[in-house]
Amino acid sequence: AQSVTQLDSHVSVSEGTPVLLRCNYSSSYSPSLFWYVQHPNKGLQLLLKYTSAATLVKGINGFEAEFKKSETSFHLTKPSAHMSDAAEYFCVGNAGNMLTFGGGTRLMVKP
Amino acid sequence: GAVVSQHPSRVICKSGTSVKIECRSLDFQATTMFWYRQFPKQSLMLMATSNEGSKATYEQGVEKDKFLINHASLTLSTLTVTSAHPEDSSFYICSAPPSGLGNNEQFFGPGTRLTVL
Repeated sequence: AQSVTQLDSHVSVSEGTPVLLRCNYSSSYSPSLFWYVQHPNKGLQLLLKYTSAATLVKGINGFEAEFKKSETSFHLTKPSAHMSDAAEYFCVGNAGNMLTFGGGTRLMVKP
Repeated sequence: GAVVSQHPSRVICKSGTSVKIECRSLDFQATTMFWYRQFPKQSLMLMATSNEGSKATYEQGVEKDKFLINHASLTLSTLTVTSAHPEDSSFYICSAPPSGLGNNEQFFGPGTRLTVL
C-alpha cells in the first residue's frame, strides 16, 4: 500500500518569492511520483514526474522537484512565484496504474 | 502529449433524471480508464476503474447501480449517474493511462461539472 501526504493545505507567498510545496510518500517500493496543477473548474495538468531516473526533475513553468528517498519526500519548488501560479497542486503516486492523491495544497500568490 | 476529452463540460439536471458523461482518449488506446469525483476544496476520490470489455471495478462505498460505467471501446468510457440527487452534484474527472504503460503518466480529462437541482 502507498500513501501520499501533502503537509500544507494552504501556502501563501508574495509574487517574486520562492515557492515550496511539500509532499511525503510512503510505499513498500519506489513509486512513480507526479505533481499536477489544477486551476478552478479545470482538469489536472502535469507539472513534472519522477520515474526513477534523475532525482532532480524539472517541469514546466519553472517548477522542479527533488526525489529524496532517505526522507521519502518529493517537494515541489519554484524560485520565483508568479500570480498565474495561484492554483491547487496535487502530489500523486502511481504504482501499477493505481493513483494515490495527496490532499492538495492551495497556493495563493499575493501581489 | 496525449489528450483525454470529456463531454459535456457542464451539465445541470433535475433531481431524479439520469446524466451520461463521456470520457474519450483522442490519440491513444486505453484498456483502462479511471473515474474520480471531486467535491469543492477537496482532493480527487477514485470512484471506479473502467475496463474495456469487462465489468468496472468500484471503490468501497460507491454504488455500482447508481454510477453505471460502460467501457465500450478502447477509446471511450461512459459514466451514467442514474436518478441523480443534489448530493451527486460534483466535479467528475476521468483519467487514462496509455495501454502498456505501468507506473507512468496518466492523462486527465478536463472534468465535468454536474449540478443537480
